[in-house]
Amino acid sequence: DTEVTQTPKHLVMGMTNKKSLKCEQHMGHRAMYWYKQKAKKPPELMFVYSYEKLSINESVPSRFSPECPNSSLLNLHLHALQPEDSALYLCASSHGQKHPYEQYFGPGTRLTVT
Amino acid sequence: AQTVTQSQPEMSVQEAETVTLSCTYDTSENNYYLFWYKQPPSRQMILVIRQEAYKQQNATENRFSVNFQKAAKSFSLKISDSQLGDTAMYFCAFMIFTGNQFYFGTGTSLTVIP
Repeated sequence: DTEVTQTPKHLVMGMTNKKSLKCEQHMGHRAMYWYKQKAKKPPELMFVYSYEKLSINESVPSRFSPECPNSSLLNLHLHALQPEDSALYLCASSHGQKHPYEQYFGPGTRLTVT
Repeated sequence: AQTVTQSQPEMSVQEAETVTLSCTYDTSENNYYLFWYKQPPSRQMILVIRQEAYKQQNATENRFSVNFQKAAKSFSLKISDSQLGDTAMYFCAFMIFTGNQFYFGTGTSLTVIP
C-alpha cells in the first residue's frame, strides 16, 4: 500500500469558520509534510513532522495549526483564514531516515475561503 | 542554501516524439538526491524518477531517463515515445541526505500534442 489519503477532497469555508484537514498513511513512514500549492506553482512547504514531532515550521501564520496524533495521522486545523489562503493543500509522507527518501503525495484538499 | 531552477515554463511535443526537460541546481552539499515528479491536471503528484548523487549511472524508468551531470549541477529528464498521458506539470526536486526537506523547481508544463 503506497497510498496517502486526504479528506475532504474539497472544502469551502468562511473567514470565521474553523475546519480541519486530515491526512493518513499506512506505509510505516515516520516523516509527514503539509504543503500549500497555488495553480501552476510548485508546492510550498508549510510543516514537517519527524517521528511525530514538529521539526520544520516554515513561518506559517498561526491561523494554520498542525497536529500529529500518531505516526499514521496528520491534521491541519484552520481558523480565521483569509481569501489568499485558498489553494490546494497537499500532504506527503516519506520513510524519514532511510532509503528510499522520496515523498509520496496525497491527492490534496482544494480549499476555498470566501 | 539550495536552489533548483527549471528554465522552461512551458513545452510541447508531438505524440511519439522525444522531449527533454532541463533542471539545474545549486548546492554546496556532496550527498543528495534528485527527483522528477509529475502532476497531471487536477490529479495527484507522483514520482517519475530518482537519482542518488553518489551514483554515476543515470537512472532510467521505462520511457523516462535522466542525464545527471554532477559537476555541472544539471539533471535533465528525457521522455521517449511521448504519450498523451504524459501531459502534466513536471517538477524537479532536490533533497540533501541529512535532511528531509525537498527543494522544488518552478515546474515545466508539458503538453503532448496528438
